[in-house]
Amino acid sequence: KNQVEQSPQSLIILEGKNCTLQCNYTVSPFSNLRWYKQDTGRGPVSLTIMTFSENTKSNGRYTATLDADTKQSSLHITASQLSDSASYICVVTMFSGGYNKLIFGAGTRLAVHP
Amino acid sequence: GAGVSQSPSNKVTEKGKDVELRCDPISGHTALYWYRQSLGQGLEFLIYFQGNSAPDKSGLPSDRFSAERTGGSVSTLTIQRTQQEDSAVYLCASSLSPGFSYEQYFGPGTRLTVT
Repeated sequence: KNQVEQSPQSLIILEGKNCTLQCNYTVSPFSNLRWYKQDTGRGPVSLTIMTFSENTKSNGRYTATLDADTKQSSLHITASQLSDSASYICVVTMFSGGYNKLIFGAGTRLAVHP
Repeated sequence: GAGVSQSPSNKVTEKGKDVELRCDPISGHTALYWYRQSLGQGLEFLIYFQGNSAPDKSGLPSDRFSAERTGGSVSTLTIQRTQQEDSAVYLCASSLSPGFSYEQYFGPGTRLTVT
């Protein structure tokens, strides 16, 4: 079964601290992996996208890693800010049936406190 | 430019009533997707439209759910005889093409509450 599992389910950190979110997947065939940020009441917004051959991708204070052998990804947030409080969703794409089918994780809810 | 828009932003309805949710994709985007996000759950694929091709309805949970896309642009998701388990946020996304490298852009969602 195609699944994406994320951990932890929720996380509280202090402003300025770093954190790492985890994603394990069992999706096949694999096309790419994205991390999305979803603010409360808003739609998800893409942070990074990685294909099979990419091990790491950065977007400002966000750095994503991908190990396609173990089917694991992580999102590292450096020097967290209050505005980082959101849900972070790991999404694995499989190109199936002629289109881009996304398999979503349940997300990690991050709260950054002052 | 304008992103994906959805209306209404919130909808409260009584059990058994029909509801219609609207999605305006980004102009020029040929692919349109509907998803459902229940509390504490990941997004669940519902239906996919691409141009004039027959839609992929494989994610629709029951025959009470249907969707149309008129003129290759605006889409309407209809839920008939709503049930309490239909309560969720319904998200629409569009992309320039269905190809795997093309980004899906999400709307803000419609929060549906069935009482």
